[in-house]
Amino acid sequence: NAGVTQTPKFRVLKTGQSMTLLCAQDMNHEYMYWYRQDPGMGLRLIHYSVGEGTTAKGEVPDGYNVSRLKKQNFLLGLESAAPSQTSVYFCASRVSGTFYNEQFFGPGTRLTVL
Amino acid sequence: AQSVTQPDIHITVSEGASLELRCNYSYGATPYLFWYVQSPGQGLQLLLKYFSGDTLVQGIKGFEAEFKRSQSSFNLRKPSVHWSDAAEYFCAVGGGLTGGGNKLTFGTGTQLKVEL
Repeated sequence: NAGVTQTPKFRVLKTGQSMTLLCAQDMNHEYMYWYRQDPGMGLRLIHYSVGEGTTAKGEVPDGYNVSRLKKQNFLLGLESAAPSQTSVYFCASRVSGTFYNEQFFGPGTRLTVL
Repeated sequence: AQSVTQPDIHITVSEGASLELRCNYSYGATPYLFWYVQSPGQGLQLLLKYFSGDTLVQGIKGFEAEFKRSQSSFNLRKPSVHWSDAAEYFCAVGGGLTGGGNKLTFGTGTQLKVEL
């Protein structure tokens, strides 16, 4: 099992450009999450999904959109990138059920917006 | 609202010394508490978790954590640190359901440096 994978690993964008980050998991997990990690701020939740076709806003959703068309994939889109979106983005997934269940993280995507 | 405080941004210990990383949380009900480790350039890996039962929890890599409800703390400990333990450590509290989905709130992390 590959676990949680993220594509791409690195990306540099110019202000105003758009891009999509792909998260894929092969563990048949119901729940998937997108976080951003910034120095001194820990991880902050952008959007999450509790199942195919459903998404919800997290703590810092502005400037991002998501889609969960297939259970195994969770896409994060930036329609018009801004320098404030320079960050490391992590995807995570977990089984449904109790809150006790562990979230499994991908290796991250490092995004720089110039 | 739930929150997590990790008061130590950086900690340096000598290899073989003991380690304690502090974590304080704020949560309105019984907390679900986690410790994750992040090696440079990597994703996060779960070290241990607590929900109920024995307040001393054992994890991987020789780590343990103790839940103290009266102090709202969940400190991470290791009796003897190895150079490979150098990494960033995150404490997280779970819950905060609104419409489903366990949402973790993370602390800002503690960067551990190990001196040989």
